[in-house]
Amino acid sequence: QVQLVESGGGLVKPGGSLRLSCVGSGFSISDYYMSWLRQAPGKGLEWLAYLSSSGHSVYYADSVRGRLTISRDNAKNSLDLHLSSLRAEDTAMYYCAGTKGSPFYFNHWGQGTLVSVSS
Amino acid sequence: DIQLTQSPSTLSAAVGDRVTITCRASQGISIWLAWYQQKPGKAPKLLVYDASSLESGVPSRFSGSGSGTEFTLTISSLHPDDFATYYCQHHNRYSWTFGQGTKVEIK
Repeated sequence: QVQLVESGGGLVKPGGSLRLSCVGSGFSISDYYMSWLRQAPGKGLEWLAYLSSSGHSVYYADSVRGRLTISRDNAKNSLDLHLSSLRAEDTAMYYCAGTKGSPFYFNHWGQGTLVSVSS
Repeated sequence: DIQLTQSPSTLSAAVGDRVTITCRASQGISIWLAWYQQKPGKAPKLLVYDASSLESGVPSRFSGSGSGTEFTLTISSLHPDDFATYYCQHHNRYSWTFGQGTKVEIK
């Protein structure tokens, strides 16, 4: 059974940075197209970053380009996110999601990890 | 960038009602559209992809249709478990975009 579990969320000060991790079980993350998305409190879904199964294609949303890095650790079967220069607007639930089929959509999601940016 | 606009933003319906949600794209996107259901405190769940293909395990009361710029998600007979927020989503080259969501409430 495919399962994704995010971790690393919490309270972070403005200007700081964070690293989130998404560990997969029941499958190899390196076989999947993976993304990070987020959802601010009471708001809609926002895609942030994508990493292809080959690792050759990496895309970022304009809203986070230059501040966000997506990476994969095959040994840990994990997908990581590093976000720097944090602002209050980065407060959100962060989800990892993936698919083995079409990279157009997300058919497996983690439960999310909450990040709060506040002084 | 392609924008997705959902209507209505909120919909009040009763159990057993037929419900239709619309998603309009700012330019033609062929059939490259998905629909998700999200319940409070939970991650989204893929319902429909490629505009009309039902994801495995999704009840047949859900259906999607459309192409080009106008798409619909229909729930043929609303179940108590269907009260949730629904999002449409499109992938275009290097980005993924979501509609703003439609909340289906109990009437």
